[in-house]
Amino acid sequence: EMVLTQSPGTLSLSPGDRATVSCRASQPVNAQYFAWYQQKVGQAPRLLIYGASSRATGVPDRFSGSGSGTDFSLTISGLEPQDFAVYYCQQYGSSQWTFGQGTKLEI
Amino acid sequence: EVQLVQSGAEVKKPGESLRISCRGSGYSFTNYWIGWVRQMPGRGLEWVGIINPADSETRYSPSFQGQVIISVDKSISTAYLQWSTLKASDTAIYFCARRPNFYFYMDVWGKGTTVTVSS
Repeated sequence: EMVLTQSPGTLSLSPGDRATVSCRASQPVNAQYFAWYQQKVGQAPRLLIYGASSRATGVPDRFSGSGSGTDFSLTISGLEPQDFAVYYCQQYGSSQWTFGQGTKLEI
Repeated sequence: EVQLVQSGAEVKKPGESLRISCRGSGYSFTNYWIGWVRQMPGRGLEWVGIINPADSETRYSPSFQGQVIISVDKSISTAYLQWSTLKASDTAIYFCARRPNFYFYMDVWGKGTTVTVSS
């Protein structure tokens, strides 16, 4: 069974800072099958990054993704007030989708 | 505008049955899979399962296999998630989301349906 472990659980930063969220998979992941989502309180998740490093339509270029194998990361350069939210990684493999437990980015 | 419109909030008693829905609009419904994701109160996202509206091929998370049924009526561009016997532990928000064919992410999400199961 695939497990995605995100770190840290909570990230406390200020507007203008750089944020990095990590996601480690228990087994190697095809990077084409890896994505990141943002969820704000009371809202549905929003696709940010797919294929490990491609930004979804309308996502600002301060968001970037990287990684391969078992280690992936999401970086937000120059935090804006609207970026404070919960971030989830997600992978697909063996006909199953798996989410990480989430990282809360707080002011 | 591409949208997934979900049915309204439900309050049920343990042991009751329920079916919630997700209607797609603004795109070709059969060209995208529809997945379901659970979010229990104060918790993270859990993948429930997914269905291909073109041929009703369905896959379930092992955690939800046998607990729920995912179905689709492509004539009205609507996917469903149903329970035959609800439990208090089914209390959660359930999101539907669209997965493009040949890709492995969810690009459009519904706003969620809140299901509350309480005696």
